Amino acid sequence: NAGVTQTPKFQVLKTGQSMTLQCAQDMNHEYMSWYRQDPGMGLRLIHYSVGAGITDQGEVPNGYNVSRSTTEDFPLRLLSAAPSQTSVYFCASSYYVPSVITYEQYFGPGTRLTVT
Amino acid sequence: GNSVTQMEGPVTLSEEAFLTINCTYTATGYPSLFWYVQYPGEGLQLLLKATKADDKGSNKGFEATYRKETTSFHLEKGSVQVSDSAVYFCALQGSSNTGKLIFGQGTTLQVKP
Repeated sequence: NAGVTQTPKFQVLKTGQSMTLQCAQDMNHEYMSWYRQDPGMGLRLIHYSVGAGITDQGEVPNGYNVSRSTTEDFPLRLLSAAPSQTSVYFCASSYYVPSVITYEQYFGPGTRLTVT
Repeated sequence: GNSVTQMEGPVTLSEEAFLTINCTYTATGYPSLFWYVQYPGEGLQLLLKATKADDKGSNKGFEATYRKETTSFHLEKGSVQVSDSAVYFCALQGSSNTGKLIFGQGTTLQVKP
């Protein structure tokens, strides 16, 4: 299994440009999510999906769009990039463990985005 | 709302020293608690977890005990190695069954030979 894969690893955008960060998983997990990591702030949830066709907002959704047409893929779209979106973006997928009422999450390697 | 607070870093230790990284949380109900580790240039890896009060999670010599009375989940290791140098994140997953993780701000550990 490749686990959770993300592309690209690095990206530089100019203010106002749009782009899509790709995320894919081959573990047949229903739950997928996007986080951003900023210095001194840990990771914050942007959007998440509990299954194909179902998405919802996290803590910091503004400026980002998501869709989930398949179980495997969960792309994150930046509509009009701003310098405040300079960050490291992590995708995660997870499965539910009923015996402990917990999701086990697996993270991708991250995409480092710089907006100038 | 739910939140996680970690001790500020960076933490600098000599090899074989004892490590404690403090983590406290605020949550309703009975959350699950996690420690994740991020090595330089890499993504997050689950280090250990505990899903109910008094559980002890352990992995690679690291331990943490879920203390509901003090709302804490402190990470400990008896003898750190240079290879333990990384950023450590405490996180909680609320009992509302949505899978969302709330992270602390992360603590950088540097171990010197």
